[in-house]
Amino acid sequence: AQSVTQPDIHITVSEGASLELRCNYSYGATPYLFWYVQSPGQGLQLLLKYFSGDTLVQGIKGFEAEFKRSQSSFNLRKPSVHWSDAAEYFCAVGYNFNKFYFGSGTKLNVKP
Amino acid sequence: DVKVTQSSRYLVKRTGEKVFLECVQDMDHENMFWYRQDPGLGLRLIYFSYDVKMKEKGDIPEGYSVSREKKERFSLILESASTNQTSMYLCASSSDTGGIGYTFGSGTRLTVV
Repeated sequence: AQSVTQPDIHITVSEGASLELRCNYSYGATPYLFWYVQSPGQGLQLLLKYFSGDTLVQGIKGFEAEFKRSQSSFNLRKPSVHWSDAAEYFCAVGYNFNKFYFGSGTKLNVKP
Repeated sequence: DVKVTQSSRYLVKRTGEKVFLECVQDMDHENMFWYRQDPGLGLRLIYFSYDVKMKEKGDIPEGYSVSREKKERFSLILESASTNQTSMYLCASSSDTGGIGYTFGSGTRLTVV
């Protein structure tokens, strides 16, 4: 069965520090890959996506993610975190556009 | 601005009540989804629909049903609400071309007392 793992439930970083959120998936084929962000009490907003081509993808709000086929990973990064980045982040994987699988989420706390 | 609109942000219902959660999208998307979100469990798919009058069970359909009579509207029905259905419910839609992945609504936080 397909699965998406986000091993870090909570992460705390200082404002201005770099950030990396991990995402691993299990499946044989290369999937479509997404990162979403959820602010408290809100729905999910798409940060970035990977379908094919260049394995380093740029998203909104200064985020980027790198697809590594050999590691079945799609880690999210940001060079300098802002206090407004505090939110919950979800990785999602799909093999068509009809159904995605989500990780359990990583809550990011940003220290002043 | 494209939208997925969920009719209620907060709902409080009594055990045993029949509950309707409504979702409307204005993007002419073929696919619509209902998820529930619980702390530590992420998003779990309840039901989805590829087309009008079509529905498919997701991972946790028990205690729920859905209705899609029009392309833009996808309703989640709790036939007899129970306290373990207290949760955040998220509706999403996507197109078959999938260019932007899912578009989510803002969610409905349902409390069953």
